[in-house]
Amino acid sequence: QSALTQPASVSGSPGQSITISCTGTSSDVGGYNYVSWYQQHPGKAPKLMIYDVSKRPSGVSNRFSGSKSGNTASLTISGLQAEDEADYYCSSYTSSSTWVFGGGTKLTVL
Amino acid sequence: EVQLVESGGGLVKPGGSLRLSCAASGFTFSSYSINWVRQAPGKGLEWVSSISSSSSYIYYADSVKGRFTISRDNAKNSLYLQMNSLRAEDTAVYYCARAPYSSGPSDYWGQGTLVTVSS
Repeated sequence: QSALTQPASVSGSPGQSITISCTGTSSDVGGYNYVSWYQQHPGKAPKLMIYDVSKRPSGVSNRFSGSKSGNTASLTISGLQAEDEADYYCSSYTSSSTWVFGGGTKLTVL
Repeated sequence: EVQLVESGGGLVKPGGSLRLSCAASGFTFSSYSINWVRQAPGKGLEWVSSISSSSSYIYYADSVKGRFTISRDNAKNSLYLQMNSLRAEDTAVYYCARAPYSSGPSDYWGQGTLVTVSS
């Protein structure tokens, strides 16, 4: 199972919006609405930010939103804040009943 | 409060074995699937294995199939990962994470335990 494709890095200024893409195949992202996004600060465990493509867990800011079109899922963060600076990983359930992660995207808040 | 606490990591020689444990509290352990996810130093996340709530369904990544065995003891609220024939590329922080169902997201994660495979 090949990793999902994410950009290595994205950046934005405080208050701006950014979007991180996550491209897979019809056997994972395109075949299921089971895409999740995780935020990871250095030295910390990942935190679930979005699940089932566009749902937010309780406690996650509504500045975070998710969507999907075909084999590509996207995470959008609006109103960027300094504390959003972190690594972001997408993940998808697959046709083999396994999970696959993206390579991760480093978000820098300028 | 939901808590997942991994233990059992350490330094092991190539070809050696190690057993990781994950102690759960603050939720009904027997109702959740559990995943093992690892992260090599400076690298991204890699899903390793999953086990359903009643151990009926078990899955492994190709990279560990035949070498790692996942198991759980619902009476002890504990999850295990037996790792055999360890290789240098297995060096990573290993996280356990709960999922509300087999295809569900990992909504709570432990802090991880470091496994280093080196001679």
